[in-house]
Amino acid sequence: EVQLVQSGGGLVLPGGSLRLSCRASGFSISSSYMHWVRQAPGKGLVWVSHVNFDGRTTYADAVKGRFTISRDIAKNMVYLQMNSLRAEDTAVYYCGRDVDWGLASWGLGSLVTVSS
Amino acid sequence: QTVVTQEPPFSVSPGGTVTLTCGLTSGSVATSHYPSWYQQTPGQAPRTLIYSTNTRSSGVPDRFSGSILGNKAALTITGAQADDECDYYCMLYMGSGTWVFGGGTKLTVL
Repeated sequence: EVQLVQSGGGLVLPGGSLRLSCRASGFSISSSYMHWVRQAPGKGLVWVSHVNFDGRTTYADAVKGRFTISRDIAKNMVYLQMNSLRAEDTAVYYCGRDVDWGLASWGLGSLVTVSS
Repeated sequence: QTVVTQEPPFSVSPGGTVTLTCGLTSGSVATSHYPSWYQQTPGQAPRTLIYSTNTRSSGVPDRFSGSILGNKAALTITGAQADDECDYYCMLYMGSGTWVFGGGTKLTVL
C-alpha cells in the first residue's frame, strides 16, 4: 500500500527556516516524480515544487530561490527546505506522488505558520 | 501569464449529472497537459479522482469520468450524491517541469 507520512511544520518567524519531511512507503521514490503542493487558509491548491527520478528539480516562481526540494533515496524520503519564509507562505503543505503527470497519492499535510 | 480556469460555485440535483471544466486563459487544454482532477472536503487532504485526462484513480467509482470537451478538460459526475458536495480542483502540466492548479469549483448537491 502506498503511503506518504509527513512531518515537520509549525510556527516560524518571518525570515526563518523550516524543513518538511515526507516518508514514502509501498513504492520507491527513485522511480517516481514527487511533488509538494500547498494550500493557504481558505484558499485553493497551489503547486510548489517537484523532483523527478533523475533528481531534476523545478519550482513555482513564488518560491524559487527560497525553497529547495531534495530526496534521500536510501531512506525513501523527500524534503522541502524552506528559507526566508514570509507571511504569505503560511499554508498546509502536502507531499504527493506523481503518476502519469498527476498526483496519485497524497500525504495528510503539514501546517506551516509564518508569524511574529 | 496563462491561468487555469474553473467554474464559479456550481450546483447539481441529487441523482443528476454535472460536468465541471478546466480551461486556459490562453490556448486549449489538450491531452499533452495531462489534466488531473482532485476532490477535497474542508480540513481534509485532497483525493485524486482522475489523472492523465481519463484514468480513474484506485477506488474511484465509475460515475466519475474525465475527458477533453472542446478546448477544455472536463470532469463528469453522474448520479450525484450528497457526499459529492465539496471542492473540485483540476491540475495541468504546463511543460518545462511545471504544473498549475485551477482555482477550484465548489459543488453543491441540492
